[in-house]
Amino acid sequence: QSALTQPASVSGSPGQSITISCTGTSSDVGGYNYVSWYQQLPGKAPKFMIYDVSERPSGVSNRFSGSKSGNTASLTISGLQAEDEADYYCTSYTGSSTFTVVFGGGTKLTVL
Amino acid sequence: EVQLVESGGGLVQPGGSLRLSCAASGFTFSYYSMNWVRQAPGKGLEWVSYISSSSRTIYYADSVKGRFTISRDNAKNSLYLQMNSLRDEDTAVYYCARVTWGRDQWPVDDWGQGTLVTVSS
Repeated sequence: QSALTQPASVSGSPGQSITISCTGTSSDVGGYNYVSWYQQLPGKAPKFMIYDVSERPSGVSNRFSGSKSGNTASLTISGLQAEDEADYYCTSYTGSSTFTVVFGGGTKLTVL
Repeated sequence: EVQLVESGGGLVQPGGSLRLSCAASGFTFSYYSMNWVRQAPGKGLEWVSYISSSSRTIYYADSVKGRFTISRDNAKNSLYLQMNSLRDEDTAVYYCARVTWGRDQWPVDDWGQGTLVTVSS
């Protein structure tokens, strides 16, 4: 299974909105509504941000939202804040009958 | 508070073995499936292995199949990863991660702080 494709970097100014894309195939992102997103601050463990394409776990700011169109999922961060500067990873899961978990290569978000 | 604490990492020569442990607390460990995920230095995340709550179902990434063995001891609230025939490309921080409540395999919500495995001669 190949890694999902994410842009290496994105940037935005405080208060702006940015979107990170995550492109797979019909065998992963496009075939299942099991896309998740993780935020990783420098030197820290990943943090669970979005699951099932657009659901937010308890405690995650509503500035974070997810969506999907075809084989591409997206993470949007609105009202950008300095503490949002981190690496972001998407993942796709193919369900219990086949169990495949594939990660994106990660996107470095810089808050200007 | 959920806590996952990995240990057992270190420097090992190619072809060597290492056993990682993950001590869980703050939740009923026996109710949850678990995963190992790794991250090579400066690289992205890679799923390594999965084990169900009862140990009945186990999966491995192709890159470690036949060399790594995942296991758990629910009485000790612990998860393990036995790594044999280690290669340079296994060098990474290894995280244990808990499957989120209500799900069987993925996604994971809580992660440990990771333990570094370095394979080098």
